[in-house]
Amino acid sequence: DTGVSQDPRHKITKRGQNVTFRCDPISEHNRLYWYRQTLGQGPEFLTYFQNEAQLEKSRLLSDRFSAERPKGSFSTLEIQRTEQGDSAMYLCASSLAGVLQETQYFGPGTRLLVL
Amino acid sequence: RKEVEQDPGPFNVPEGATVAFNCTYSNSASQSFFWYRQDCRKEPKLLMSVYSSGNEDGRFTAQLNRASQYISLLIRDSKLSDSATYLCVVKTGTGNQFYFGTGTSLTVIP
Repeated sequence: DTGVSQDPRHKITKRGQNVTFRCDPISEHNRLYWYRQTLGQGPEFLTYFQNEAQLEKSRLLSDRFSAERPKGSFSTLEIQRTEQGDSAMYLCASSLAGVLQETQYFGPGTRLLVL
Repeated sequence: RKEVEQDPGPFNVPEGATVAFNCTYSNSASQSFFWYRQDCRKEPKLLMSVYSSGNEDGRFTAQLNRASQYISLLIRDSKLSDSATYLCVVKTGTGNQFYFGTGTSLTVIP
């Protein structure tokens, strides 16, 4: 399977714990995006990378959130000191920049529940 | 004002019906437009890109109206399997963010 993959698919944690999610993009894609989605809403942009550089972060992304893409391939999203409001689906998408119509392809998501 | 607005529905239509969704966007500099489909508790999947001249893929037709800043999706001969949430997505020209609408829920009834 050469699509976007995410791990874990589900995570249950207690408030105050740290969690880390991983995303492996489509191999030739140079852009990688993180989104958060809650019930009844569309995905909300969190941050994106072009290769290993983090180029943009949403104001939604508090200082408890950090993302990395150290070698320009896979990315991790860490949430420190989780809160119940962090419960959501975290989606990763990848795309190829520089083409006429940049198109995103999504991974299956990581569903986080903070108790 | 939200970047992208959609009527959340729900739209409940009988099999074989034609249904249309509209989506408006606020940034006139927007460059790229898409419709994604999202099934319950799954990730969004690309349904089709929307081109300036409009485009068709089987039973699905997408249109772009730049003057009025809206895009539309028409589904003909609805199937039960078309039941899903349809997300309108817009990419502006000034940055690399993709903006998603809240989605329109469609249920096709036997």
